[in-house]
Amino acid sequence: QQQVRQSPQSLTVWEGETAILNCSYENSAFDYFPWYQQFPGEGPALLIAIRSVSDKKEDGRFTIFFNKREKKLSLHITDSQPGDSATYFCAASSSNTNKVVFGTGTRLQVLP
Amino acid sequence: AQTIHQWPVAEIKAVGSPLSLGCTIKGKSSPNLYWYWQATGGTLQQLFYSITVGQVESVVQLNLSASRPKDDQFILSTEKLLLSHSGFYLCAWSRHLNQDTQYFGPGTRLLVL
Repeated sequence: QQQVRQSPQSLTVWEGETAILNCSYENSAFDYFPWYQQFPGEGPALLIAIRSVSDKKEDGRFTIFFNKREKKLSLHITDSQPGDSATYFCAASSSNTNKVVFGTGTRLQVLP
Repeated sequence: AQTIHQWPVAEIKAVGSPLSLGCTIKGKSSPNLYWYWQATGGTLQQLFYSITVGQVESVVQLNLSASRPKDDQFILSTEKLLLSHSGFYLCAWSRHLNQDTQYFGPGTRLLVL
């Protein structure tokens, strides 16, 4: 059972465009949602995170939009750069458990 | 600054052989520690977490075990490898429990033949 799903599986955009990565979850107890960026052969690194009390979190070119009612969130990457080409994972956890569930991932390719 | 080191970088092992992977965190006392497994091209599966020395909690059963012999060290092991154990093993740490940034190590790539 995959509790955190991401779409699309892969995405290609041109440099300068906005990339939109989607994430949905099933467990209504989840209240913390970090997004991780992973380059091939490396460990993931935190990009940006949001808590369920907020509906938007912005950090430079990266913005998370969160819809608690629909159990959906999205990561918007504006002015995409070739260096943004990586796999992005949405993750989820809740305050009453020590477990983290990672999504299926979206592979982003930014063409120059 | 905190650093996380994993060893070995890569391993090729035979089915049925034992395995021991290590992880060390420097520059942070009493970190929360985690082991993850990632299949090639796949998502990350949390395997274990540890809040303190000597205490390890299992998240999923994959015929693996973990131990925390020191505050800064986390060990992943098995006595008998399976083909399904192949993949990328990642160690991570955080200051607080799961609702906090997890800092991942460089990983160990394991191929079981």
